[in-house]
Amino acid sequence: GAVVSQHPSRVICKSGTSVKIECRSLDFQATTMFWYRQFPKKSLMLMATSNEGSKATYEQGVEKDKFLINHASLTLSTLTVTSAHPEDSSFYICSATGLTNEKLFFGSGTQLSVL
Amino acid sequence: AQSVSQHNHHVILSEAASLELGCNYSYGGTVNLFWYVQYPGQHLQLLLKYFSGDPLVKGIKGFEAEFIKSKFSFNLRKPSVQWSDTAEYFCAVNAETGGFKTIFGAGTRLFVKA
Repeated sequence: GAVVSQHPSRVICKSGTSVKIECRSLDFQATTMFWYRQFPKKSLMLMATSNEGSKATYEQGVEKDKFLINHASLTLSTLTVTSAHPEDSSFYICSATGLTNEKLFFGSGTQLSVL
Repeated sequence: AQSVSQHNHHVILSEAASLELGCNYSYGGTVNLFWYVQYPGQHLQLLLKYFSGDPLVKGIKGFEAEFIKSKFSFNLRKPSVQWSDTAEYFCAVNAETGGFKTIFGAGTRLFVKA
């Protein structure tokens, strides 16, 4: 089956620094990638939708200047948490879908801890 | 606004008991419906999906779900659960009109006692 690779799986950073999370589709062309955030014991909250070669569409309440999303190719999307603060600590998950949009393939997630 | 409601946040069952997890959605137009499962320490996996056709959908590991359009529901069922079904289950919905953004319910944590 299709594979989405997300890296890193865990990152600890100091407050004020920026962190980049990568999401790659390994064996298919991901026309659309989604970034989700999952709080402990909560569901997945959609942060933004990115289509290759265009600007990401952010959900209401998500700061686009804080969570920079780049989808430069059909196999790679990145999420950069800029000037991270402790409240940004969370589990971030990317997902990707191909042309048929029949299924979302999920990355393994990134646990971000901001000290 | 689109939303997905899962009625049970925590469910505890004994092995061999039957399972039904409720899911209701609020979404205009034609929808696609999904159930995802997240086993402890693993990432989300698709259990089953409904796009069109037979409203009773069979998925992996003996799970099935029934789409009832009049009730805006897509409940997940399994006749006899196993200890290995312990996981968190998420109902999700998307639609072409929404750009295929997938909205997830809050999730139901299932614990199956051996």
